[in-house]
Amino acid sequence: DAKTTQPPSMDCAEGRAANLPCNHSTISGNEYVYWYRQIHSQGPQYIIHGLKNNETNEMASLIITEDRKSSTLILPHATLRDTAVYYCTNSGGGADGLTFGKGTHLIIQP
Amino acid sequence: DTAVSQTPKYLVTQMGNDKSIKCEQNLGHDTMYWYKQDSKKFLKIMFSYNNKELIINETVPNRFSPKSPDKAHLNLHINSLELGDSAVYFCASSRTRRQETQYFGPGTRLLVL
Repeated sequence: DAKTTQPPSMDCAEGRAANLPCNHSTISGNEYVYWYRQIHSQGPQYIIHGLKNNETNEMASLIITEDRKSSTLILPHATLRDTAVYYCTNSGGGADGLTFGKGTHLIIQP
Repeated sequence: DTAVSQTPKYLVTQMGNDKSIKCEQNLGHDTMYWYKQDSKKFLKIMFSYNNKELIINETVPNRFSPKSPDKAHLNLHINSLELGDSAVYFCASSRTRRQETQYFGPGTRLLVL
């Protein structure tokens, strides 16, 4: 079973920042927070991950609260191609495998 | 230059048949995985291999048998297919067995009639 909670769907206007929340209140000290997305009919795509500190890469930024019980994925300038289901997980990753819940269906509106 | 590839992309077959899905990664990764995504879109780990050695075997019927002929390949053979096996099966790989980014294949859509 998924250990994270995400809103089922969100809308965002093209060009605006999309902020996707995730609750992971049972995260353990050595678990990372991972974000993936799945564009329709494709395999999941890695976006970003973090342990405690905020992270940024070419795709997105990740803000993790100090207590690590929640995080927010930020897509700074959303485009139509960012329409996808976004999953956060705090599974152990690595050889333990990832567990995804239902994710958030992000719809970017033109 | 596909990093993780799977064949076939679609597989339609009758109940009771035996079928195989192949997966190859050209990333030089040590660890490979099979996941199943059901109709409700939940993605669950089935198997994990590290350097051709089975690491994880989740509660999966023994009709499912993974085989890793070398580090770059992880195939999934399914015997006596059942209606409930209909799903999308994803192969993935990661550089090592520790907490690492996973790279997924495009998926194989299996429909059992």
